[in-house]
Amino acid sequence: TQLLEQSPQFLSIQEGENLTVYCNSSSVFSSLQWYRQEPGEGPVLLVTVVTGGEVKKLKRLTFQFGDARKDSSLHITAAQTGDTGLYLCAGAGANNLFFGTGTRLTVIP
Amino acid sequence: GAGVSQSPSNKVTEKGKDVELRCDPISGHTALYWYRQSLGQGLEFLIYFQGNSAPDKSGLPSDRFSAERTGGSVSTLTIQRTQQEDSAVYLCASSLVGQGASGNTIYFGEGSWLTVV
Repeated sequence: TQLLEQSPQFLSIQEGENLTVYCNSSSVFSSLQWYRQEPGEGPVLLVTVVTGGEVKKLKRLTFQFGDARKDSSLHITAAQTGDTGLYLCAGAGANNLFFGTGTRLTVIP
Repeated sequence: GAGVSQSPSNKVTEKGKDVELRCDPISGHTALYWYRQSLGQGLEFLIYFQGNSAPDKSGLPSDRFSAERTGGSVSTLTIQRTQQEDSAVYLCASSLVGQGASGNTIYFGEGSWLTVV
């Protein structure tokens, strides 16, 4: 089993603050994906990172893939209440995605 | 529909009963996945279908769990003799090509909430 540990498990911040969540593994992945899941819905893909050291930006979200392709981070600038949700990282295996434990983010207005 | 459709959305069943969960993937998607998510947790891989290949059943937790995919489209996940620890959200997902393909995007359904009492 390829485990992905995410930290922190829970995060509650004020609107406008910055935050970073982490995804760490002892395994190397060919690619890594980040998803956001809202209550009562399935996860929705945010980004896929493939190359070690790669950085991708989507508006206020910045994703980084570690040089060794074992870890990743998600940084959110000036958080908004709409960012509230469960953030999941997932490493690509041969036939499936191995999901992390998740970070539950709450942005307080 | 445009997305992955799952039914029922909610199911309450008595311990020991069998349940069937249905998934309609996005039309044309060759790959189909089942995951299980316990309350507030990450996703646990159950099974993967890709085209006409033999499914990857390596994630099924016990022989009480089985799944089939008929005609390369609709899939049914069956749980026999349900136990309380089976209570979870069962998520189905599909993708245009297999997981190993570069740039593949997986689309999830809203899930079937199963409660075993």
